[in-house]
Amino acid sequence: ELKVEQNPLFLSMQEGKNYTIYCNYSTTSDRLYWYRQDPGKSLESLFVLLSNGAVKQEGRLMASLDTKARLSTLHITAAVHDLSATYFCAVVSSGSRLTFGEGTQLTVNP
Amino acid sequence: SAVISQKPSRDICQRGTSLTIQCQVDSQVTMMFWYRQQPGQSLTLIATANQGSEATYESGFVIDKFPISRPNLTFSTLTVSNMSPEDSSIYLCSVEDREKLFFGSGTQLSVL
Repeated sequence: ELKVEQNPLFLSMQEGKNYTIYCNYSTTSDRLYWYRQDPGKSLESLFVLLSNGAVKQEGRLMASLDTKARLSTLHITAAVHDLSATYFCAVVSSGSRLTFGEGTQLTVNP
Repeated sequence: SAVISQKPSRDICQRGTSLTIQCQVDSQVTMMFWYRQQPGQSLTLIATANQGSEATYESGFVIDKFPISRPNLTFSTLTVSNMSPEDSSIYLCSVEDREKLFFGSGTQLSVL
């Protein structure tokens, strides 16, 4: 059974600081997603990572994938308040089914 | 990317009743899924909606409680049957479009 673990689950950081969210998964997969969820809203797709060593960047967010270590990271650079949200990683198993991590609730303080 | 319309966006229902949630996509997609997000929790897959055949349910979810229809490649429904307060959640449909998985806006269900 595929298990996906994120840490930290809660993250409070100051504006301008950098931080990394980690996502570990238990079995081989060919796709990993990062999503953002604002309170009361649906999921916004941030990144899809398809291969070992994949790195994608959008604004202050950068995601990477190490399939050998079964680890993905979401790095936040120079955080701003607008990044406050819950971030989920999700790993694909057979039939494009997603198993989600627990989510990381990020709060960026002025 | 696929545009997904989900209805209703929210509803408040009485215990013992049923609610049907609709998911409409603006293009034909092979894979459609239904997820549940309980309050303060992550998302859990309920089932894969298969076009023209019965849905494939995940462990812990059964057809009698969550019947699903998928009459064509752009539409699916999820019914939450005989509701109890424990069914209060956000229900989301998801589709795969060119290797990306997108989510509908969700249905926030409260059961009294």
